[in-house]
Amino acid sequence: ETGVTQTPRHLVMGMTNKKSLKCEQHLGHNAMYWYKQSAKKPLELMFVYNFKEQTENNSVPSRFSPECPNSSHLFLHLHTLQPEDSALYLCASSQDGGGAHNEQFFGPGTRLTVL
Amino acid sequence: GQNIDQPTEMTATEGAIVQINCTYQTSGFNGLFWYQQHAGEAPTFLSYNVLDGLEEKGRFSSFLSRSKGYSYLLLKELQMKDSASYLCAVRDSNYQLIWGAGTKLIIKP
Repeated sequence: ETGVTQTPRHLVMGMTNKKSLKCEQHLGHNAMYWYKQSAKKPLELMFVYNFKEQTENNSVPSRFSPECPNSSHLFLHLHTLQPEDSALYLCASSQDGGGAHNEQFFGPGTRLTVL
Repeated sequence: GQNIDQPTEMTATEGAIVQINCTYQTSGFNGLFWYQQHAGEAPTFLSYNVLDGLEEKGRFSSFLSRSKGYSYLLLKELQMKDSASYLCAVRDSNYQLIWGAGTKLIIKP
């Protein structure tokens, strides 16, 4: 089983739809992240969960709603999105709290297109 | 504000050496990361620098100067598979990663 998995890999949705993105990590990490990646722009951190508790919400619109039921699973619930929300959504995990470099491990992403 | 600058795109020849620069201005510094991202794939960790100097790992090396807010990634003996985007990221005083927009490296035969 690969370290971080995401489903679906591709999603096309209308502005009135409701959908969810799923992320699962098999690395025993205690922190999980949602990023948005748009073409030629830096990765935008959306949400951070440490030990299942949300620790960061970087001014993300309420049409994006995260859920972290346990330290291995992370969801991003989507509703009434806008065309500008079309992007690659990446999930990552890391082991925080130590003094090591604690790099983040990324999933393959969900390519989202909002029509 | 916090800022990471790196070139948008670079082109190099197979077998050659290329240096990708990254300059940063962040609130605090707790390490600098380089990631590689092939088109349509996840970013993968390449290197980490927290002290000044050069870290070598096979064909790839990464350098850091904290006083200058500067790092570079050096790729030697370039191969076609090295065609990818290279992302520079700095961990700030809150231990959050601040990302650059990435450098797209094109390798030509």
